[in-house]
Formats: sequence, structure tokens, C-alpha cells
Amino acid sequence: AQSVTQPDIHITVSEGASLELRCNYSYGATPYLFWYVQSPGQGLQLLLKYFSGDTLVQGIKGFEAEFKRSQSSFNLRKPSVHWSDAAEYFCAVGARGNKLVFGAGTILRVKS
Amino acid sequence: DTEVTQTPKHLVMGMTNKKSLKCEQHMGHRAMYWYKQKAKKPPELMFVYSYEKLSINESVPSRFSPECPNSSLLNLHLHALQPEDSALYLCASSRERLANTGELFFGEGSRLTVL
Repeated sequence: AQSVTQPDIHITVSEGASLELRCNYSYGATPYLFWYVQSPGQGLQLLLKYFSGDTLVQGIKGFEAEFKRSQSSFNLRKPSVHWSDAAEYFCAVGARGNKLVFGAGTILRVKS
Repeated sequence: DTEVTQTPKHLVMGMTNKKSLKCEQHMGHRAMYWYKQKAKKPPELMFVYSYEKLSINESVPSRFSPECPNSSLLNLHLHALQPEDSALYLCASSRERLANTGELFFGEGSRLTVL
């Protein structure tokens, strides 16, 4: 069965510092991978997705993620974090049919 | 227009009440979804409608009853709920099969409290 692990429940970074959020997945075939962001009390917004091809994927708001098949990872990165990036981030894998399996989420706090 | 609109934003109901959550999108999407999200947890899939037909029911209790009257509307009818059903209910849509496009568009959710 498909599963997603986000090992960090909370991460705190200083504004302007770089960010990396970890995601590991378990899936038998080539995965479809996604990162979504959720601000408090809001729905989820897609940051970026990987289907195939270039393993470094660019997304919105300056985020990027790198697919590493050998490590079953799809880590999210941003070179310089802004206070408005404080939110919860969910990694997800596209499963058979119309299912999206989410990781437990990582809450990002940004220190000024 | 890239919005998924959910109403009401907040709902408080007793265990004997009957209420409905509504979701609307005008993006021409043909797949619509209901997710349930408990506090500090990821969204959990409840139902998927594809071309107005129920394609996935994740073993959701019958006190939750989905309905898709047309391609733009998705309802979730609630009856005899339990306090543990209190959660944020998220509606989402996708252009077609998720595996083809990958992107879900989410509404802001309806926060349900069952007393």
C-alpha cells in the first residue's frame, strides 16, 4: 500500500534562512508526488508536483523539490524563507485511481 | 475562476439534526472529492465522484451521505452524527482523473462541530 512519511512534525527557521522539509514515500511503481501547503483554517494549495522527467521540480512561491528514487524521497526546499511561509506542509503520493495519500504534515514556524 | 466554494464555513449541530454541506466549482472539473481533516492530522479521503458518479467510498459510515446533483455541485448530507465527527470537511475538485493531472483544488473547508 502507498504511504508517505514526513519525519518532522515541527520545524522552526529564521526568516531569510534556507528550508528543507523531508518526505519519504512507499509505492510499488513510479510515484506521482506532490507538496501541498495549508494555512490555518484554510484549504490546501498545490506547491508543486512530480510525474516524470526532470527530478528537480520548480513550484510556486519559490519552492522546489527533488525526487530521489534511490532514497524514496521527495524533499521540499526553499533558499530563503519569508514570514508568510509559516504554514503546514503536506507531502502526498498519488495512488491507484483518484486517491491522494497524504503524509502527517510538517508545521513550519518562521522566526523574525 | 479557480475557486472551490464551500458553505457553510462553520456549522454546529446536535446529534439528532440533519444538515448538509455544500460545495461548488465552476472550473469544468469532472472529479470532486470530500475529505475529512481532524485537528493536527492530514486530510483523509471520504468520497470521490467522477463524472457525477460515485467512484470511491472509503468505508464511510452511512450517517454521511454524498450527493452530486450535477458536475458543478457536491453535497454532503449529515444525519445522526457523533461528537467524534467534529472536523474540518474539505471539498476538492480535479480536472479529470487525478492520475492524469495530479492537482486537487481545495475549498477552504466547512468546520463542523457536533454537540
